[in-house]
This record gives sequence, structure tokens and C-alpha cells, in this order.
Amino acid sequence: DVKVTQSSRYLVKRTGEKVFLECVQDMDHENMFWYRQDPGLGLRLIYFSYDVKMKEKGDIPEGYSVSREKKERFSLILESASTNQTSMYLCASSGDRSHQETQYFGPGTRLLVL
Amino acid sequence: AQTVTQSQPEMSVQEAETVTLSCTYDTSESDYYLFWYKQPPSRQMILVIRQEAYKQQNATENRFSVNFQKAAKSFSLKISDSQLGDAAMYFCAYAGNNRKLIWGLGTSLAVNP
Repeated sequence: DVKVTQSSRYLVKRTGEKVFLECVQDMDHENMFWYRQDPGLGLRLIYFSYDVKMKEKGDIPEGYSVSREKKERFSLILESASTNQTSMYLCASSGDRSHQETQYFGPGTRLLVL
Repeated sequence: AQTVTQSQPEMSVQEAETVTLSCTYDTSESDYYLFWYKQPPSRQMILVIRQEAYKQQNATENRFSVNFQKAAKSFSLKISDSQLGDAAMYFCAYAGNNRKLIWGLGTSLAVNP
């Protein structure tokens, strides 16, 4: 089974802090994704990566950056957290040999910025 | 641009009954994939079922089946013999050529005992 793990389930940070959300997958997937999920807005793509050291902006990249130094790890960085970044953050990966497009999700990180 | 629409924000079903969740999409691509994902309260998003657009046969996974109407761009999910554990948010998603998923806003399903 594919396993995607995220470093924290719950996180509380203060405005202006630098925040790191870590995601690790164990299936050698090429593709990794960061979403935020808000009530009534569904899932919105922040950034994604098709390969190591490669990144592409999603629909809402403002205020975020990412890092992918190793294939299995994809980090989301909030350079200076703001209250409007309070949300659920979901990481996903894809790239199964037979089902390239199917995304597998981590448990999510619920971030509260005070 | 592709879009995915779930017109039912909330649905409910009696335990052991059947319920159908609706999803429509818009695309000009001919080759694509469609998905239903389930997200139980405070739990992980998991794949329920997937459908390749080039396959005419509707996908089935145990109590879950789809009605894929390519010409109408419709992709509904049928849950048979509903169980309390089926209560969740259900998301319809589309994957085209660029490896990204386009998501609907979700349908919240309640299962009444």
C-alpha cells in the first residue's frame, strides 16, 4: 500500500513565524502535491512537483514556497505565516506504474495561525 | 479549462438504502480519468473508484459503482446497501493530460440509522 505521511496532524503558530510542513511518500512516486482545504472551497492546489528539485505553481501559490531535495520528500514553507493561512493542508503523491494519475493522500495537517 | 461540478452540497440516505451522488465535468480532451474520493470526518482522503474515459464499461468496487456517460459528461457514484461508515465528504475529480486533478467542491453524505 502507498503510504504518505505528514509531519504533524495539528500545528499552532504565531503570525510572522516561518512554518515548515513536511510530507514523505514511500512508493517512489515522481509527482507530489500540496493542497489546502477550506470549507466551501474544496481542495485548492498550492504547488506541485514532477521531479526532484522541480516545482510548479498551482492555483494559489502566494505566500507559500516548496522544496523537493529528495524524491520522497516534499516540503511546504510558509515564509511568514498569516491568519488567512489557517487551514487544512493535504499532501498527495502520484506515479504508480499502472495508475499514473491516481493521487494518494496523507492524513493532513490542520494549521492554526494566531 | 476543465471544470468539475457537484450540484449536491449535502445528501442523506437511510442505512441499507441506495444513494447516487452526481458529478458533471467539462473538457475538450478525449483521453482522461475520473475519480471519486471519500473523506470521512477528521480522517484521510481515500480513493473510492476510478474510471478511464476510453473504457465504456462502468467501474465497480464492491458496493460502489459509477454511471459514466461520456457524451453527457456525467460521472455519478452509486452507493448500494449504505452503511454508517459511508458517511463522509465525497469529492469528484478529473485528470487530463497534465497530471493535475481538477476537483469538485464535494458532497457531504449523511447515513441515517
